[in-house]
Amino acid sequence: DTGVSQDPRHKITKRGQNVTFRCDPISEHNRLYWYRQTLGQGPEFLTYFQNEAQLEKSRLLSDRFSAERPKGSFSTLEIQRTEQGDSAMYLCASSSEQHPGNTIYFGEGSWLTVV
Amino acid sequence: KQEVTQIPAALSVPEGENLVLNCSFTDSAIYNLQWFRQDPGKGLTSLLLIQSSQREQTSGRLNASLDKSSGRSTLYIAASQPGDSATYLCAARMNRDDKIIFGKGTRLHILP
Repeated sequence: DTGVSQDPRHKITKRGQNVTFRCDPISEHNRLYWYRQTLGQGPEFLTYFQNEAQLEKSRLLSDRFSAERPKGSFSTLEIQRTEQGDSAMYLCASSSEQHPGNTIYFGEGSWLTVV
Repeated sequence: KQEVTQIPAALSVPEGENLVLNCSFTDSAIYNLQWFRQDPGKGLTSLLLIQSSQREQTSGRLNASLDKSSGRSTLYIAASQPGDSATYLCAARMNRDDKIIFGKGTRLHILP
């Protein structure tokens, strides 16, 4: 069990470019969450999956954002036509109904800077 | 809609003191409440999770309590150390199959 892994850890991109982040959850965790966090704020919910099904999407997830979890294991978060307001840390987390208390575990995050 | 609030936003205390961080939530029908620690530029580390049926949880120098009726949780840190300096976040979950909703956190600075 190596924890939740995110890649890349840092990404600098020009406005208008597309970026993709990957998240590998803790093995056998069936739930996977994406959050966004800006400086001085708590994480804001974006979306979550149970296995491969995307169960909920926040209004924060505009049409430029898409998340997938095709085989119920790793997930990708793609941002198309990036804007400066997309600069933030994107956090992935996972949990399992089988784990006591259904504790949520977070990765180290992926920092996005749009210039 | 559940809202989670943490007060104060920032706190500085001398090393060795005991301290309490506060978290309040608007909807008392929560499933559980989780406390996290976040170091600058890092992800979140889970500290303690309290189920709705529990009143408190302890881990080492940390003790978290939950009072659903008043919509409050506290994180008590005993004998604070400079290494405790970080942002502490609380998050509420409304039901087993739901996301967690965060407060904005309390930035804690322990003065050596």
